[in-house]
Amino acid sequence: GNSVTQMEGPVTLSEEAFLTINCTYTATGYPSLFWYVQYPGEGLQLLLKATKADDKGSNKGFEATYRKETTSFHLEKGSVQVSDSAVYFCALRPYGGATNKLIFGTGTLLAVQP
Amino acid sequence: EAEVAQSPRYKITEKSQAVAFWCDPISGHATLYWYRQILGQGPELLVQFQDESVVDDSQLPKDRFSAERLKGVDSTLKIQPAELGDSAMYLCASSRYGDSYEQYFGPGTRLTVT
Repeated sequence: GNSVTQMEGPVTLSEEAFLTINCTYTATGYPSLFWYVQYPGEGLQLLLKATKADDKGSNKGFEATYRKETTSFHLEKGSVQVSDSAVYFCALRPYGGATNKLIFGTGTLLAVQP
Repeated sequence: EAEVAQSPRYKITEKSQAVAFWCDPISGHATLYWYRQILGQGPELLVQFQDESVVDDSQLPKDRFSAERLKGVDSTLKIQPAELGDSAMYLCASSRYGDSYEQYFGPGTRLTVT
């Protein structure tokens, strides 16, 4: 079946450090891949997406590349800020089918210290 | 900027009682989703509507959960009777019709069953 596995948190970094949050997936065909972010007390927001192999999604300094050969979609940022502290969810949308449902990983809490 | 509205934000109820959540999607969004997020896990789709029709309710516990979207606009999710294991965050999302459109999430309703 379809599933997403992401690294457990919390991830604690100092401001301006490099961030990597690992995400791997299991799916048939060619799913679309997403990173969502959830700030405290708020709903999930789409951070970036990629819809086919080798696509790179990017937004607000965050990047992730769709790697079909390793079934991965790791999130990276070169220099994190305190304001990046949040929970990050990797998700996939299965290829085809009648629904657009998203399948999420368990989330990774990022805490950035000044 | 238009947002998905949900109410209440927090709900405490005793087991065996009935509880209902309301969602108002972004205007013009034909597709509406209800997800359940158990603490420490990623959101899981409960039901998806296309206008007023259910597209996917395969993960909805139909013996106690019901969902409706009578006029194809706002939606209500009901639990009767509530059980301790129903304690979770209930998220509503909406999108335009079609699999290329982003899902926009509301702030969620935090349910605690005592």
